[in-house]
Amino acid sequence: GESVGLHLPTLSVQEGDNSIINCAYSNSASDYFIWYKQESGKGPQFIIDIRSNMDKRQGQRVTVLLNKTVKHLSLQIAATQPGDSAVYFCAETAETGANNLFFGTGTRLTVIP
Amino acid sequence: EPEVTQTPSHQVTQMGQEVILRCVPISNHLYFYWYRQILGQKVEFLVSFYNNEISEKSEIFDDQFSVERPDGSNFTLKIRSTKLEDSAMYFCASQTSFSRDISYNEQFFGPGTRLTVL
Repeated sequence: GESVGLHLPTLSVQEGDNSIINCAYSNSASDYFIWYKQESGKGPQFIIDIRSNMDKRQGQRVTVLLNKTVKHLSLQIAATQPGDSAVYFCAETAETGANNLFFGTGTRLTVIP
Repeated sequence: EPEVTQTPSHQVTQMGQEVILRCVPISNHLYFYWYRQILGQKVEFLVSFYNNEISEKSEIFDDQFSVERPDGSNFTLKIRSTKLEDSAMYFCASQTSFSRDISYNEQFFGPGTRLTVL
C-alpha cells in the first residue's frame, strides 16, 4: 500500500513562533493531501488540504506546501499558540480506489508558553 | 454544528467475544468510513461504505469484521471474535459526497471508541 511518513516525531516551539511540520510520501499517484490535527482523546480534525496540481495553499494561520518532485508535504503554522499543541498527521488519497485516507505516523507539536 | 458521534467511548471485552461499535454519521452524508488507531501508531483505514455496501476495504478488514447501516442512521462495525491485537481506538468518519473532479469533501471524524481486548 501507500507509504506516508513523517520526518520528525516531536516538535517543540515557543508560543508566537512559526511551526513547520514535514511529511514525505512515496506514492507518485497520490493526488490529494490533507493535514489533520488530533488532540488527546479526540478524533482527527481537518486543517487544510491541497490537490496535486497546486504547490501552495493558505488558510487561517496555516499554509501547506507540496513539492511533488521530492514527494514532500509541509504544514506551516504561523504564530503558534498553546491551543495548537496536538499530533499532526498528513494523509493522502491515491488516484485509484475510493476516497480512503492513508495517514502518516504523526508529529507531536508542543507549544511552550 | 453537526458532528459524528460514537458509542461507547470505551469498550472492554474478553478475547473471543463479539463487539459492536456504533456510529451516528452526520445526517446528510453519504459516505462512511471506519479507521483504527493502535496506541501510539498512525490511523489506519479499515473500510468505506456507500449506498449500503462496502466500497473499499483494507487487508485489516478480514472475515471477522463486518459493517452495516441497519436503520439509515446508525453505522456499525462488528468484530465477531475479538483478538488481543484488535485493541485500538476505532474512528468512524462520514463525508457528504465524493468526486475527484471537484474539491475534496472533508471527512468528519467522530471522537472514537477505545476497544480493549483482555
